[in-house]
Amino acid sequence: AQSVTQLGSHVSVSEGALVLLRCNYSSSVPPYLFWYVQYPNQGLQLLLKYTSAATLVKGINGFEAEFKKSETSFHLTKPSAHMSDAAEYFCALSGGSYIPTFGRGTSLIVHP
Amino acid sequence: NAGVTQTPKFQVLKTGQSMTLQCAQDMNHEYMSWYRQDPGMGLRLIHYSVGAGITDQGEVPNGYNVSRSTTEDFPLRLLSAAPSQTSVYFCASSSTGLSGANVLTFGAGSRLTVL
Repeated sequence: AQSVTQLGSHVSVSEGALVLLRCNYSSSVPPYLFWYVQYPNQGLQLLLKYTSAATLVKGINGFEAEFKKSETSFHLTKPSAHMSDAAEYFCALSGGSYIPTFGRGTSLIVHP
Repeated sequence: NAGVTQTPKFQVLKTGQSMTLQCAQDMNHEYMSWYRQDPGMGLRLIHYSVGAGITDQGEVPNGYNVSRSTTEDFPLRLLSAAPSQTSVYFCASSSTGLSGANVLTFGAGSRLTVL
């Protein structure tokens, strides 16, 4: 069985501060990992994905994530938060199947 | 390229009424799926399909039916709506050729309220 745990249902940062959204996974096979973003009243869209080519993955809008097998983690970071980053972020895992497992999501709140 | 199109965007039903949420994609994706999104629950898979004529149940299938007569369309039917089905519904599709590395393309969502 595979699972995804996102630590913290809400994360609050000030504009310009570091963004860190945590994701830990469990998989019995080498995983494919994804971060999706959902802006208010929209569907989800891909931020970035890990497919074993490189452990540090760069995505859109300045976000990046690092795959750490020893820690079973795939945390999402951005050096400097912008007001437009306020959204719901979902970590997802595919362990050899095209049916992904999603985490429960983390709401990012950005204060001016 | 429209991607994944869902209709309607908003719907209000009375308990016991039936309705169909429509989903269409123009990317020739084999895999299509329906999720519901509720506060604090994330995304939960309702039903999915890997091609025309093939459907299967996800995590929360009770109260919902699906069919897949064409590659493009994957409607979700509520046979007798209940207040517990008040939610935001998302349709998503992907190709199946990369064994898990495929990215889901989501529709914009359908917000359903059952009174």
